[in-house]
Amino acid sequence: GNSVTQMEGPVTLSEEAFLTINCTYTATGYPSLFWYVQYPGEGLQLLLKATKADDKGSNKGFEATYRKETTSFHLEKGSVQVSDSAVYFCALTLGTGNQFYFGTGTSLTVIP
Amino acid sequence: GAVVSQHPSRVICKSGTSVKIECRSLDFQATTMFWYRQFPKKSLMLMATSNEGSKATYEQGVEKDKFLINHASLTLSTLTVTSAHPEDSSFYICSAPGITDEKLFFGSGTQLSVL
Repeated sequence: GNSVTQMEGPVTLSEEAFLTINCTYTATGYPSLFWYVQYPGEGLQLLLKATKADDKGSNKGFEATYRKETTSFHLEKGSVQVSDSAVYFCALTLGTGNQFYFGTGTSLTVIP
Repeated sequence: GAVVSQHPSRVICKSGTSVKIECRSLDFQATTMFWYRQFPKKSLMLMATSNEGSKATYEQGVEKDKFLINHASLTLSTLTVTSAHPEDSSFYICSAPGITDEKLFFGSGTQLSVL
């Protein structure tokens, strides 16, 4: 089947620390991979995506590389800020208009 | 860019009443919309997929008679929680897939509290 597994939180970091949130997936086809971010009391916003193997998605200093060999899409940021505090969701889909499969979400808190 | 508008953002109701949540695609047509439920500190649970002009497809374990979904037009889908009970209290989020790319556009969510 199709599923996404991401590291459990919560994660607490000091400002300017390095962030990694692990995400692995299983899929019956060739998925596109996504990271969504949810700020408190809001819906989800697309953070970045990658549609094929070895693609790197990046946005707002966050990066993730589509690794087919390890079926992974880990999220990284070199220096986190307080404003990055949110819940991050890894997700996959098998095509436009198709269902998305989400991980359980990882809560990140960045302290000054 | 594409925008999905969801209303209300917050609703408090008495047990036994029904609550309707609206989800509109503002500048694009959405033949499909997804309805999710989010529990505190947990992931999004897909409840159902609404399809314009046909019946919604419900995920296993979701009560069709309790969570009524109507996709009245290409820009509007509604979720009605009928005879709400405290255990229905949750954050409900709608989303619509992009037409030209693989992307989901999310509404801002509705926090339902049933007293």
